Amino acid sequence: EVQLVESGGGLVQPGGSLRLSCAASGLTFSSYAMNWVRQAPGKGLEWVSTITTSGGNTNYAESVKGRFTISRDNSKNTLYLQMNTLRAEDTAVYYCAKGFLLFDCWGLGTLVTVSS
Amino acid sequence: DIVMTQTPLSSPVTLGQPASISCKSSQSLVHSDGNTYLSWLHQRPGQPPRLLIYKISNRFSGVPDRFSGSGAGTDFTLKISRVEAEDVGVFYCVQTTQFPRTFGQGTKVEIK
Repeated sequence: EVQLVESGGGLVQPGGSLRLSCAASGLTFSSYAMNWVRQAPGKGLEWVSTITTSGGNTNYAESVKGRFTISRDNSKNTLYLQMNTLRAEDTAVYYCAKGFLLFDCWGLGTLVTVSS
Repeated sequence: DIVMTQTPLSSPVTLGQPASISCKSSQSLVHSDGNTYLSWLHQRPGQPPRLLIYKISNRFSGVPDRFSGSGAGTDFTLKISRVEAEDVGVFYCVQTTQFPRTFGQGTKVEIK
């Protein structure tokens, strides 16, 4: 059974940094593109970033470009999201999701709260 | 960016009755490979989303056959033939034809 488990969320002040992780199991991690998708409290889903299998190609939403960096370590079956210069509007549950042309498996999410 | 517009945003339904959700994209979702990458997701309260339908009409593994997807180009529909209690929550369409990936606003389905 495929499992994705996010971690690293928490409370951070505006302007601060946080690194999220997504540990994958039950799949050949290196064979799949991976994504981060977020959901602000009471709001809809917003795609954040995608990384290809080798990590050679990445894409970002305009709202996070230049501040967030997606990466992966295929030897550790782990996806990352380095978030810098955080803003109040980055407050959300962050989900990792598997797939390039469809999001076919999701983790439970980790909550990031940006507040002073 | 491709804008995804869902209607209705809220749908009170009676158990056992059908339901339908529309999703319209601001431009064609036909990919250069000929496929149309339009998916439907369902999010129950307090849970992560899960994939229901991909490439317009393909049910994902384990998805009941009361869910069906249809459409082409810029107009798509998710139909539930007979709503069950476990269907409450929010349904989202999403396009993965091009970057940035974009979601519809979500349609909240609740039981009357």
